[in-house]
Amino acid sequence: EAGVAQSPRYKIIEKRQSVAFWCNPISGHATLYWYQQILGQGPKLLIQFQNNGVVDDSQLPKDRFSAERLKGVDSTLKIQPAKLEDSAVYLCASSPEFYEQYFGPGTRLTVT
Amino acid sequence: QKEVEQNSGPLSVPEGAIASLNCTYSDRGSQSFFWYRQYSGKSPELIMSIYSNGDKEDGRFTAQLNKASQYVSLLIRDSQPSDSATYLCAVEGSGGYNKLIFGAGTRLAVHP
Repeated sequence: EAGVAQSPRYKIIEKRQSVAFWCNPISGHATLYWYQQILGQGPKLLIQFQNNGVVDDSQLPKDRFSAERLKGVDSTLKIQPAKLEDSAVYLCASSPEFYEQYFGPGTRLTVT
Repeated sequence: QKEVEQNSGPLSVPEGAIASLNCTYSDRGSQSFFWYRQYSGKSPELIMSIYSNGDKEDGRFTAQLNKASQYVSLLIRDSQPSDSATYLCAVEGSGGYNKLIFGAGTRLAVHP
């Protein structure tokens, strides 16, 4: 069974630029999550989708971050404009309904 | 008080010893608990889940849960250098929807 796919794996941008990340969950997994992991910290949930509806986006900085999950499968996370403090690894995870979550390889973002 | 607390370590154990990793959580209504292993530069990998009080064993790993004390632990028997990683404790919030709160992780170093 293929795992969670993410791209790109690495991205370097300047502050105030925009960036987008893509995630393809494990086939059949209804729930998709985006996390931000800053170095030395645990992952922090940004947004959670159940199929293509948002379940939780309470920690998403909505003035600069946006996310969508079209047709209940792939998802994109966008940052516009980026700040220095957005430098982190962005992790996508998926789960079948409300069970164990499985993570993709992540995208390491560096904002200069 | 942090929602999920772990000793950051490093926890250093000799090869073949038992490594004991601990985690406390603040939400008394939490029902689901997970341990993830994260190698440096990699994404978290699910290694154990536990939902009821007591012990759950899987190979060299044993998860222990005590909801009354709001405490969950992970024991690794016959520790190997390949077990050297950061271990993340994740607790499902009582608000439902499988929202996980992660601790900052404990770094384990197994030396030959």
